[in-house]
Amino acid sequence: EAGVAQSPRYKIIEKRQSVAFWCNPISGHATLYWYQQILGQGPKLLIQFQNNGVVDDSQLPKDRFSAERLKGVDSTLKIQPAKLEDSAVYLCASSLERLETQYFGPGTRLLVL
Amino acid sequence: SQQGEEDPQALSIQEGENATMNCSYKTSINNLQWYRQNSGRGLVHLILIRSNEREKHSGRLRVTLDTSKKSSSLLITASRAADTASYFCATDAQNAGNMLTFGGGTRLMVKP
Repeated sequence: EAGVAQSPRYKIIEKRQSVAFWCNPISGHATLYWYQQILGQGPKLLIQFQNNGVVDDSQLPKDRFSAERLKGVDSTLKIQPAKLEDSAVYLCASSLERLETQYFGPGTRLLVL
Repeated sequence: SQQGEEDPQALSIQEGENATMNCSYKTSINNLQWYRQNSGRGLVHLILIRSNEREKHSGRLRVTLDTSKKSSSLLITASRAADTASYFCATDAQNAGNMLTFGGGTRLMVKP
């Protein structure tokens, strides 16, 4: 069974530029999560989808971050415009349903200069 | 804010020794999970312990949960160099709908 796929693996941009990350969850997984992990810290949940609906986005900085999962399968996370403090690893995870084990992708490492 | 706090922040041991990591949390939980993260890689789920369980085993891993003290411990027995990684506890708070809150992690180094 294929795992959670993410791309790109690495991205370097300048502040005020835009960037987008893509995630393809494990086939059949209804729930998808985006986390931000700053160096030396644990992951912080940004947004949770159940199929194509948002369950929780209370920790998503909505003035610059947006995410969508239009067809209830893959998802994109966008930052526009990026700030220096957005430098982090962005992890995508999926689970069969909301109360099941989460499986993580390899992450996208973002560096904002 | 981070619900779980791991202790110690860093741990260095020799191969073959046991490693113990602790996690404390603040609010009532449905379950507590432990994850491993190798350098530059994604997180791997290790074990889940529910709030009505006190101890759970998986291979060389042993997890305990004390809900009265709001704490958990992860024991890795007979450690190997390949166990070198960061270990995170994550709590699924009651009524949170599987929204995990992670601690800051323990960085474990196992020297061959």
